[in-house]
Amino acid sequence: SQQGEEDPQALSIQEGENATMNCSYKTSINNLQWYRQNSGRGLVHLILIRSNEREKHSGRLRVTLDTSKKSSSLLITASRAADTASYFCATGVRGYQKVTFGTGTKLQVIP
Amino acid sequence: DTEVTQTPKHLVMGMTNKKSLKCEQHMGHRAMYWYKQKAKKPPELMFVYSYEKLSINESVPSRFSPECPNSSLLNLHLHALQPEDSALYLCASSQDSTVRTDTQYFGPGTRLTVL
Repeated sequence: SQQGEEDPQALSIQEGENATMNCSYKTSINNLQWYRQNSGRGLVHLILIRSNEREKHSGRLRVTLDTSKKSSSLLITASRAADTASYFCATGVRGYQKVTFGTGTKLQVIP
Repeated sequence: DTEVTQTPKHLVMGMTNKKSLKCEQHMGHRAMYWYKQKAKKPPELMFVYSYEKLSINESVPSRFSPECPNSSLLNLHLHALQPEDSALYLCASSQDSTVRTDTQYFGPGTRLTVL
């Protein structure tokens, strides 16, 4: 299975702190995406990083990708209570519509 | 319009019932997806439609029957389900591409309970 493993499974931080979550995967990928899911709701796309990119920023989000280690990290800076959600990485393979989701990190930001 | 809509939001059905889940998008996307998500687990792909044709079936039991009537609509017909099929069913769409895997836009899901 290409399913990614995310670490940590759960993370609890104070508002204003930074949150870092990691994703490891098993096979070569075309791109890696990060999604957020609020409890019992649909997923919201956050950011996509391609296999030839090493770092990408979007607002308070910073994503890194290390294809040699088959790993990625998502950093959320200056966290807010509204960032409380589950975060999933998802990997895609060139020429194939399927994305495979990682196990997820549940983030709680305490006001 | 970047919205994917799903109806109903909640569905309770018996094991002998027949019901359908509906999904709609107006973003001009040509790929549409059904996922199943159990509590505290990641979404699991069930089906992919590309240009209104079924392109991926992840060995889903025949009691789940997908249908894509046109490029904007995706249905999931349910028949003779089991209690273990209770889950959140998510629909998603993306621009179809055979060159890369695109961003997927998700609907809010249908919470299904099978009694």
